[in-house]
Amino acid sequence: SQKIEQNSEALNIQEGKTATLTCNYTNYSPAYLQWYRQDPGRGPVFLLLIRENEKEKRKERLKVTFDTTLKQSLFHITASQPADSATYLCALTGGGNKLTFGTGTQLKVEL
Amino acid sequence: DTGVSQDPRHKITKRGQNVTFRCDPISEHNRLYWYRQTLGQGPEFLTYFQNEAQLEKSRLLSDRFSAERPKGSFSTLEIQRTEQGDSAMYLCASSPLTGAETQYFGPGTRLLVL
Repeated sequence: SQKIEQNSEALNIQEGKTATLTCNYTNYSPAYLQWYRQDPGRGPVFLLLIRENEKEKRKERLKVTFDTTLKQSLFHITASQPADSATYLCALTGGGNKLTFGTGTQLKVEL
Repeated sequence: DTGVSQDPRHKITKRGQNVTFRCDPISEHNRLYWYRQTLGQGPEFLTYFQNEAQLEKSRLLSDRFSAERPKGSFSTLEIQRTEQGDSAMYLCASSPLTGAETQYFGPGTRLLVL
């Protein structure tokens, strides 16, 4: 069956360090992969989209990589700040329009 | 604010009652989606509209759930005979016809069934 896995344990890092979050998937051939941020009690907010023919995408302090051979995406936040503390969701679209989300990884950036 | 809006933000109801939620998408967006999210999980797709046509429904959407988008603008999601297992956050999202990959989410309606 199709599966999307993200680190289930919360990730705690110090301010200024780089946070790296992982998204692994099985039994998918996604046309693209997206990362969303979700704060408690709020809806997800789109961050970055990467297509199957792209290896890397950057936006300000964010970087996403996509390895379709390993079936893995890595999401990096450089120079992390306490305001980056949130849950980060990986989402795939294999075809059609619905998004299939992972369970999310909670990131906490400490002073 | 021209983002996606949802109403109500919170709803407490007793088991067996019917509830209805409303979603107003971003005005120029043709596509509208409903998701459900329980604690510690990612959102799960329920259904999707393109304009007024409901084009896809998840197996999660039992016959107690019905969604409409009568004029291709706002949408309603109704749950009949609510059960405690329906307690969740119900999220609405919209996207334009082109560049539809990215979805813009509303703040959600949190439902608690007692």
